[in-house]
Amino acid sequence: NAGVTQTPKFQVLKTGQSMTLQCAQDMNHEYMSWYRQDPGMGLRLIHYSVGAGITDQGEVPNGYNVSRSTTEDFPLRLLSAAPSQTSVYFCASSYYGSNSPLHFGNGTRLTVT
Amino acid sequence: GESVGLHLPTLSVQEGDNSIINCAYSNSASDYFIWYKQESGKGPQFIIDIRSNMDKRQGQRVTVLLNKTVKHLSLQIAATQPGDSAVYFCAENPMGLTGGGNKLTFGTGTQLKVEL
Repeated sequence: NAGVTQTPKFQVLKTGQSMTLQCAQDMNHEYMSWYRQDPGMGLRLIHYSVGAGITDQGEVPNGYNVSRSTTEDFPLRLLSAAPSQTSVYFCASSYYGSNSPLHFGNGTRLTVT
Repeated sequence: GESVGLHLPTLSVQEGDNSIINCAYSNSASDYFIWYKQESGKGPQFIIDIRSNMDKRQGQRVTVLLNKTVKHLSLQIAATQPGDSAVYFCAENPMGLTGGGNKLTFGTGTQLKVEL
């Protein structure tokens, strides 16, 4: 099993550009989520999904959109990139309905200039 | 708001010694806790978890202790090895068993450095 796969690993954007961070998991997990990691801030939840067709906002959703058309994929879209969105982004998945640990991808390092 | 915090940002230990990483949580409704290890350039990796109906849980070289009275969580690593050098995060599920999936709240992390 590949687990949680994120692409790309690195990305540089100019202010105002848009892009999509891809996330795919092959563990048949219902729950998927996006976190951003900034120095001294830990991991903060951006958006999450409890199943295909269902998404909801986390702690820091502004400037990001998500959709969940399949169980496997959960892309994160930046509509108009800003320097404040420079961060490392992690996608994570788990089974839903009982407490089970999140499984993380290896992240996308995004720089917005 | 509710938060998960760590007492020490950096912990240095000698190879072979035991390591103890501490974590305080403030949400009394949390009933599931996880420790993650993050190596440079990688995503957090699950180490061990514990539910609130337990005080202690052991894994391979790791033990998690939960003190609900003082809302404290600790991770003990026995015979620390150079490969244990990483940032360690505690996380809690503040939604509890009836909450929405695993909306984990993370602490800011502790850097563990193993000295040879």
